[in-house]
Amino acid sequence: DTGVSQDPRHKITKRGQNVTFRCDPISEHNRLYWYRQTLGQGPEFLTYFQNEAQLEKSRLLSDRFSAERPKGSFSTLEIQRTEQGDSAMYLCASSLVGRLSGANVLTFGAGSRLTVL
Amino acid sequence: AQKITQTQPGMFVQEKEAVTLDCTYDTSDPSYGLFWYKQPSSGEMIFLIYQGSYDQQNATEGRYSLNFQKARKSANLVISASQLGDSAMYFCAMREANTGNQFYFGTGTSLTVIP
Repeated sequence: DTGVSQDPRHKITKRGQNVTFRCDPISEHNRLYWYRQTLGQGPEFLTYFQNEAQLEKSRLLSDRFSAERPKGSFSTLEIQRTEQGDSAMYLCASSLVGRLSGANVLTFGAGSRLTVL
Repeated sequence: AQKITQTQPGMFVQEKEAVTLDCTYDTSDPSYGLFWYKQPSSGEMIFLIYQGSYDQQNATEGRYSLNFQKARKSANLVISASQLGDSAMYFCAMREANTGNQFYFGTGTSLTVIP
């Protein structure tokens, strides 16, 4: 296992189209996070899963956004009817949380860059 | 109020010199963790160092150390003996134990190491 994988790395789409991003976390990690990062800003929290359960969603996550982690392994983030304001880097991160797991350090993927024309 | 404040948009340092990147945080939670991440131009966020709010000593990891001043709510990153490969964006982040599990990130500091 070489880390967190995200696919695709780059996506260019036209306004109004749907896009889906996939994240494969580190296999033994039980938590999976999605963040959005725009130019010149730090990552902003979108949502996170503990195993297959989606436990928290940001108010940033409008009803056009949906995330799933059906088997507690990989996750998908779908954006419907994309808008130009959705252009950003979408970062996935995973962590291992438990009694003995310490600091809950996030391990990030390389991100999926979305450009909406 | 901002949870994490990084006031230095850009910093320059001469190769082999030390540099301090500032970070202040805001929380009323007695239990929290502070993190620094490096983001090179490739985009991937790389974990550097962690400091827990109850840790008595400042964290160190190789050339990275965290100057933790709890009363001032600051968690500055010190990079010693800068290398050209240290040129990147640096983000300070905080996770509060009792208010959910999201990590709050600052706006980052762009560090350029000059040969």
